[in-house]
Amino acid sequence: AQSVTQLGSHVSVSEGALVLLRCNYSSSVPPYLFWYVQYPNQGLQLLLKYTSAATLVKGINGFEAEFKKSETSFHLTKPSAHMSDAAEYFCAVSTSQGAQKLVFGQGTRLTINP
Amino acid sequence: EPEVTQTPSHQVTQMGQEVILRCVPISNHLYFYWYRQILGQKVEFLVSFYNNEISEKSEIFDDQFSVERPDGSNFTLKIRSTKLEDSAMYFCASSGDGQIREAFFGQGTRLTVV
Repeated sequence: AQSVTQLGSHVSVSEGALVLLRCNYSSSVPPYLFWYVQYPNQGLQLLLKYTSAATLVKGINGFEAEFKKSETSFHLTKPSAHMSDAAEYFCAVSTSQGAQKLVFGQGTRLTINP
Repeated sequence: EPEVTQTPSHQVTQMGQEVILRCVPISNHLYFYWYRQILGQKVEFLVSFYNNEISEKSEIFDDQFSVERPDGSNFTLKIRSTKLEDSAMYFCASSGDGQIREAFFGQGTRLTVV
């Protein structure tokens, strides 16, 4: 069985500061890992994905994430926060098996302070 | 850019009534999914659909639920005899048939059962 834990349901940073959203996963088989973003009143948009090709993954809007197998982590970072980054962020895991359903974390709401 | 579209965006129904949530997946995609998010909780997998049949379903997806692809473009979720606890945001997603099936999500239908 797979699971995802996102540490911190709410993270607040100042504009221009580093963004760090934490995600730890549990999977009995090699995982695929994803970060999705949800802006208010919108659907889930893929930010980036890890599929074993490279441990450091770059995504859209300046975000990146590093897969660390030893720590079972896939934390999301951005060097300099922008007001437009305010949204809910979801980490998710799937595997190469079956329908590749996604198992989501509980989400982290990111607030950017001016 | 191709997108998944869902209708309606918001539906209010009385307890015990049947509802049908509609989705138009991306046209060349082969895998279709329904997820739901109860307010304040995780996004949860409901069901996946491939080759005109359910490929995987969760414990949530009981006999109250059914899915259908009535034609070449629509994918529907039917909830028979709705309950108050069915109130949630329902997301449709679709993916192609690659090794990594990146899921593209619709904007969701907010279902309110009163």
